[in-house]
Amino acid sequence: ETGVTQTPRHLVMGMTNKKSLKCEQHLGHNAMYWYKQSAKKPLELMFVYSLEERVENNSVPSRFSPECPNSSHLFLHLHTLQPEDSALYLCASSEGGRNSPLHFGNGTRLTVT
Amino acid sequence: AQSVTQLGSHVSVSEGALVLLRCNYSSSVPPYLFWYVQYPNQGLQLLLKYTSAATLVKGINGFEAEFKKSETSFHLTKPSAHMRDAAEYFCAVSGVNFNKFYFGSGTKLNVKP
Repeated sequence: ETGVTQTPRHLVMGMTNKKSLKCEQHLGHNAMYWYKQSAKKPLELMFVYSLEERVENNSVPSRFSPECPNSSHLFLHLHTLQPEDSALYLCASSEGGRNSPLHFGNGTRLTVT
Repeated sequence: AQSVTQLGSHVSVSEGALVLLRCNYSSSVPPYLFWYVQYPNQGLQLLLKYTSAATLVKGINGFEAEFKKSETSFHLTKPSAHMRDAAEYFCAVSGVNFNKFYFGSGTKLNVKP
């Protein structure tokens, strides 16, 4: 496989459930990102990991918990979410320089009921 | 401060017509600029990037963009629209910190037959 792979593609969960989103990159990149894309809102940066160390946490509620066990894998653990958390969650990776573009996965469409 | 403004949340053109999507940026350092495209139910895909080598940048699918420092603009153009170009387009500028990218709100391009 090449590129950035996200699983699952779709997820429906109740407000009391616990679930995890998974992201894997096969590009040899050093940095990985979680973005949230909601309808009619700009792309929101949630977390950034560089060389497996979290370097950015954009005031995200604690019901979202990231994990980066190695430079190829990134998880987003979800618990007690709210309906307003329904969105497309995008994972991305980059080589880590200012001129290095982001490479995105196809996202996980999350619906919280 | 870094920011991006995309004028026009929706643009509609006829097939074969010129495509012009506008992007203006603000940057406190020499900017690196990117255009991404997002097709339905997919992640963002890099169209092209400006990294100071040349002011006219050619990308994939026949798109190009011109960096104009005096106008702080990086507009995306394509001479002749195809139906397959219907998608949402995002302009982005890299932050002072290499971990951050600032995205515009996106422009949805509709191509009429």
